[in-house]
Amino acid sequence: EPEVTQTPSHQVTQMGQEVILRCVPISNHLYFYWYRQILGQKVEFLVSFYNNEISEKSEIFDDQFSVERPDGSNFTLKIRSTKLEDSAMYFCASSVEGIRGYTFGSGTRLTVV
Amino acid sequence: AQRVTQPEKLLSVFKGAPVELKCNYSYSGSPELFWYVQYSRQRLQLLLRHISRESIKGFTADLNKGETSFHLKKPFAQEEDSAMYYCALFTGTASKLTFGTGTRLQVTL
Repeated sequence: EPEVTQTPSHQVTQMGQEVILRCVPISNHLYFYWYRQILGQKVEFLVSFYNNEISEKSEIFDDQFSVERPDGSNFTLKIRSTKLEDSAMYFCASSVEGIRGYTFGSGTRLTVV
Repeated sequence: AQRVTQPEKLLSVFKGAPVELKCNYSYSGSPELFWYVQYSRQRLQLLLRHISRESIKGFTADLNKGETSFHLKKPFAQEEDSAMYYCALFTGTASKLTFGTGTRLQVTL
């Protein structure tokens, strides 16, 4: 069964550093998403991306965050200057269209120290 | 705005006992609801969706529009059912899922 792949599985970074989280969506999927789950809390939507642009973003997705599909296969989430409160599990997801084939990756645990 | 409420943080049942994980939603449009399961901080896995009306691993869920609920049920709990369960509402405008806070199901012997 096709999977959404995320790397790395765990990243530790110093406060103020830039971090890039990488995702390889399922190959025929056209819609891409990032979600965040702070430890012990619920999964929260960050951003959706289609046709090389952001479709919607939540209030969490401020100017510190950006997304990119640099090469037609990867989908990245960049946090420009990390804060302690950015520590969370970040899940990438992709779908064919809308809810069709909506699949989550296994997540990247980001720890900001 | 859409909202999903899961009132129980933890539900502890004995093996073989019936399970009901509660989920209520608030949404002005036509709801499309899902249950996801997460084992030991692994990836979120789709358990079932209301449209398909199928039963996965013995779990079922019925959408009750009158009560705005989508409770997850299983007649006989198994140890391997122990996990976090999230109810989620899909809104087509942004193709995003709005999750509830989750319920940890703990099945004990």
